[in-house]
Amino acid sequence: KAGVTQTPRYLIKTRGQQVTLSCSPISGHRSVSWYQQTPGQGLQFLFEYFSETQRNKGNFPGRFSGRQFSNSRSEMNVSTLELGDSALYLCASSWDVGGEQYFGPGTRLTVT
Amino acid sequence: AQSVTQPDIHITVSEGASLELRCNYSYGATPYLFWYVQSPGQGLQLLLKYFSGDTLVQGIKGFEAEFKRSQSSFNLRKPSVHWSDAAEYFCAVGGTGGFKTIFGAGTRLFVKA
Repeated sequence: KAGVTQTPRYLIKTRGQQVTLSCSPISGHRSVSWYQQTPGQGLQFLFEYFSETQRNKGNFPGRFSGRQFSNSRSEMNVSTLELGDSALYLCASSWDVGGEQYFGPGTRLTVT
Repeated sequence: AQSVTQPDIHITVSEGASLELRCNYSYGATPYLFWYVQSPGQGLQLLLKYFSGDTLVQGIKGFEAEFKRSQSSFNLRKPSVHWSDAAEYFCAVGGTGGFKTIFGAGTRLFVKA
């Protein structure tokens, strides 16, 4: 069974631009969660989707948004990028909210 | 409120020595408990999980963890550490109730020869 895939793997953007990251969960998984990981802040929860509905949300500004499609694939968008948005963005999928999560390799975003 | 505490930011052990990483949690519903490992530049890999039943669970790579409800703990152990175990380890709690999964801050393991 294929694992969680994330695209792109690496991205370089300029301050003020916007970016969209994509995540394809394991087949059959209906929950997708997004995390931001930085050396100083560790693993920070962004949001979680289940069957196209946002079920949980972390403490990030409105510039961070996401959505989930009917095939469970998910995207997250960051608008008006700031230098502090440079991070590894991880996507995880699971059968249900609160269950065991399987992580993708992440997207490394660098904002210059 | 839901929370996970990993008291040790980093730990150094000698290769071949035993290892115990601590994890304490607070959760408002029936907890599901997890340990993940992250090697440098990689995503997180599930080491083991506890849902119910036997409180001592076995995982991959020779790791085990014991759930102690009275202490709200889920400590990770390995009897003999290998150099390849050097990584960051995250404890997490999820479960019923629709709450998000909560991750601890992580413990970085260094292994010395």
